[in-house]
Amino acid sequence: SAVISQKPSRDICQRGTSLTIQCQVDSQVTMMFWYRQQPGQSLTLIATANQGSEATYESGFVIDKFPISRPNLTFSTLTVSNMSPEDSSIYLCSASRDLDSGANVLTFGAGSRLTVL
Amino acid sequence: AQSVTQLGSHVSVSEGALVLLRCNYSSSVPPYLFWYVQYPNQGLQLLLKYTSAATLVKGINGFEAEFKKSETSFHLTKPSAHMSDAAEYFCAVSSSGGYQKVTFGTGTKLQVIP
Repeated sequence: SAVISQKPSRDICQRGTSLTIQCQVDSQVTMMFWYRQQPGQSLTLIATANQGSEATYESGFVIDKFPISRPNLTFSTLTVSNMSPEDSSIYLCSASRDLDSGANVLTFGAGSRLTVL
Repeated sequence: AQSVTQLGSHVSVSEGALVLLRCNYSSSVPPYLFWYVQYPNQGLQLLLKYTSAATLVKGINGFEAEFKKSETSFHLTKPSAHMSDAAEYFCAVSSSGGYQKVTFGTGTKLQVIP
């Protein structure tokens, strides 16, 4: 399966600032996703990063707050804009490839733990 | 719409004892089901998946799960717990066609007691 590298692995940010998380995959993948994992909660899908077009956002997430880029089939970025303490979370990049089974099997990066003060 | 419910946010077992982590799903279409494991400070890894072939699915590290449509369940088991099994386990569901959005459960932290 693909290997996914995320950076930064962790950061402490000030309220009102923005931070960009980078996600690099070691092979070309058809689909990339960004998830948020808040303390004690499950993973919540933020958006699907589409190569060459705008990301597809889930309900409750908007492009102005979480702009996403996907310039090619191996790289994506997620920006958390105008951060508040409520944005403190782990942000996970994931990718999937078409498999023989047809299932959307996800590979995850190690995550980026953001703390907003 | 689809969802999964994991019963028990924390489970403790003795080393060598049976591991049973419960997952029930809800899906309006035939589902694909997954179990993922997350070790501390790492991303999630796939343990096993059900994709409408055999109902008993074997995964890595001795884990297996059985798809029971009548009970809408996909419980994860391992006959004998090992210390290295201590981690958080997530059940997940997606549809079997179209846009396969994956929806995760809230996770179960497994503690293995020596």
